[in-house]
Amino acid sequence: TQLLEQSPQFLSIQEGENLTVYCNSSSVFSSLQWYRQEPGEGPVLLVTVVTGGEVKKLKRLTFQFGDARKDSSLHITAAQPGDTGLYLCAGENSGYALNFGKGTSLLVTP
Amino acid sequence: DTAVSQTPKYLVTQMGNDKSIKCEQNLGHDTMYWYKQDSKKFLKIMFSYNNKELIINETVPNRFSPKSPDKAHLNLHINSLELGDSAVYFCASSPTTRGNYGYTFGSGTRLTVV
Repeated sequence: TQLLEQSPQFLSIQEGENLTVYCNSSSVFSSLQWYRQEPGEGPVLLVTVVTGGEVKKLKRLTFQFGDARKDSSLHITAAQPGDTGLYLCAGENSGYALNFGKGTSLLVTP
Repeated sequence: DTAVSQTPKYLVTQMGNDKSIKCEQNLGHDTMYWYKQDSKKFLKIMFSYNNKELIINETVPNRFSPKSPDKAHLNLHINSLELGDSAVYFCASSPTTRGNYGYTFGSGTRLTVV
């Protein structure tokens, strides 16, 4: 099993603040994905990054894949209460199921 | 309209009972999965099927038996339920065995064994 460590585990911030969530591994991945999970629902795919050093933006969310394809970060600018949820990173290697990190639980208060 | 649907949403049962969870996807995907999410929100792969063929069978007690009658359906049957089986079980699908296109998850089945 290829371990993915996420940090921080919990994050509670005020609306309007910026934050960064990290996903680290000692393994190289073909791609890395970020999901958001809300209570009572399944994870929903936010983004897939494939190339080392790749940066993708999704409105106020910026995702980066490390040069060595072992780590990734998610940066949220001006967080809003609607960003509240569990953020999961998942590493993919050909032919096997996604391997998930333990998640970062984010709470954004007005 | 729902892409991946699981039933039931909630399942409360006594120890020793046998229960099944059903999953259906209408996305035309070839590959389906069962994941278990524990109380600490960790998602762990249990099984994967590609076009009705079992391709991943993680270290799961043999009380758990998946069945895929066709590529749009993947069911999970659990015999002799134990307290430790309490968790949320998620079904997911992807276009191919390569997960690089991402997974589509169902909304989960919360199993509580009492």
